[in-house]
Amino acid sequence: AQTVTQSQPEMSVQEAETVTLSCTYDTSESDYYLFWYKQPPSRQMILVIRQEAYKQQNATENRFSVNFQKAAKSFSLKISDSQLGDAAMYFCAYRSAGHIPTFGRGTSLIVHP
Amino acid sequence: GAVVSQHPSWVICKSGTSVKIECRSLDFQATTMFWYRQFPKQSLMLMATSNEGSKATYEQGVEKDKFLINHASLTLSTLTVTSAHPEDSSFYICSAGDHLNTEAFFGQGTRLTVV
Repeated sequence: AQTVTQSQPEMSVQEAETVTLSCTYDTSESDYYLFWYKQPPSRQMILVIRQEAYKQQNATENRFSVNFQKAAKSFSLKISDSQLGDAAMYFCAYRSAGHIPTFGRGTSLIVHP
Repeated sequence: GAVVSQHPSWVICKSGTSVKIECRSLDFQATTMFWYRQFPKQSLMLMATSNEGSKATYEQGVEKDKFLINHASLTLSTLTVTSAHPEDSSFYICSAGDHLNTEAFFGQGTRLTVV
């Protein structure tokens, strides 16, 4: 069975600084997708970034980028120039074809002004 | 990205009554719908997976007679909480996937309060 582990229940960052959220996963599949979702206080799940396992290049979306290490089964999220609006729960998720999505326990990100 | 509309966003009901939550995919055909329950400051807990036209597959520990899921069309799935009790109060979220079955798109969630 696939598992997703987020070892940081809570992280803090100063506004304008950079923070990295960690995520590791376990799978025997070779083709799969990885996601980072943001859940602000409104509790709407918002897709931040996705990575296809077959792509070696790390995905980037504006201030958000990932460090995808397939061999190590690691998928960390880097948030640059942190903003107050980035404060939220962040969930790492895994999905492969024919399987249900698997979510990590989440990391609560606090942004200090 | 694709749009999934979940309704209502919040509901208060009396103990013993039933509540229906709707999840609609607005611009794509949702072959698979997932229903989650989320407790405060916790991750999503998968309740069941439904495929259009077939019975839902419930996760272990989820009472299928209490949480009725219907996925009668490719754009609509419903979750009915029957004979609701205060312990059913929670945040319920649906997500829908298309035939490619890669990314799942989330509804806005429903906060259910049973009094």
